Amino acid sequence: DTGVSQDPRHKITKRGQNVTFRCDPISEHNRLYWYRQTLGQGPEFLTYFQNEAQLEKSRLLSDRFSAERPKGSFSTLEIQRTEQGDSAMYLCASSLGGIRSPLHFGNGTRLTVT
Amino acid sequence: AQKITQTQPGMFVQEKEAVTLDCTYDTSDQSYGLFWYKQPSSGEMIFLIYQGSYDEQNATEGRYSLNFQKARKSANLVISASQLGDSAMYFCAMREGGGGATNKLIFGTGTLLAVQP
Repeated sequence: DTGVSQDPRHKITKRGQNVTFRCDPISEHNRLYWYRQTLGQGPEFLTYFQNEAQLEKSRLLSDRFSAERPKGSFSTLEIQRTEQGDSAMYLCASSLGGIRSPLHFGNGTRLTVT
Repeated sequence: AQKITQTQPGMFVQEKEAVTLDCTYDTSDQSYGLFWYKQPSSGEMIFLIYQGSYDEQNATEGRYSLNFQKARKSANLVISASQLGDSAMYFCAMREGGGGATNKLIFGTGTLLAVQP
C-alpha cells in the first residue's frame, strides 16, 4: 500500500507566477479530492473527481485554479497568477465509493507565495 | 447546508485519563456519515473512526469511541487512556449521503489536544 503521494512537498513562488501540483492516489481508488488548509483551520474543499470526471468545484475556487485528472489516474492542480492569499497547504485525498469510505490523504504540498 | 462545529479550540488532558472532544453537525439529510481525523504536528491527516447515521451502535476503534447522539446532532470523540502521542489536532467531518449528494467531506475547525505527563 503506497498511499497517496503528492509532489512537490514544498513550493515557493513569486506573486504572479503559475504553479502546478501533482497527486497520485491509491491505485484502486476512483475518487480524488483536493483540499486547501491554512494554519489553524480545517481542510477546505476545492474540487472532486470521480474517475476522470470533475463532478464538483467549490464556489470559493477562483478561475485561476484548475484541476485535471486525465485517464482517471493522477491529478494536477494548477494555480495561475498566484497571489499571497494562495499561500496554504494543498491536500490531495482519494477514496473508494460509498458513504462509509474514508478519505486517505497525502502529506500535502505547502505553497508559499512571496 | 451541511456544517460541522467544534467549539473547543484547545483541550488539555493528563496522560492515562480519558478526554471527550465535542462535535455538532447540521444537515437536512437523513443519511450521512461522520468521520474523525487526527493531524499531528507532522501534518498528515490520519483517519480514526466512522459513524453512520443509521448505525445502531456507537462506533469504537481501539481507544477511540464515538458518543453519537442523533437527536442532538452531536458526534463526540472519546479517547480513553490518553497517551503522549495523542497530542495533535483533531477534526470532525461529515459526508451527506442523500440523493444528489456529492462525496466530499466537510470539516470542522478542529480541536488541539495536548496530553500532559
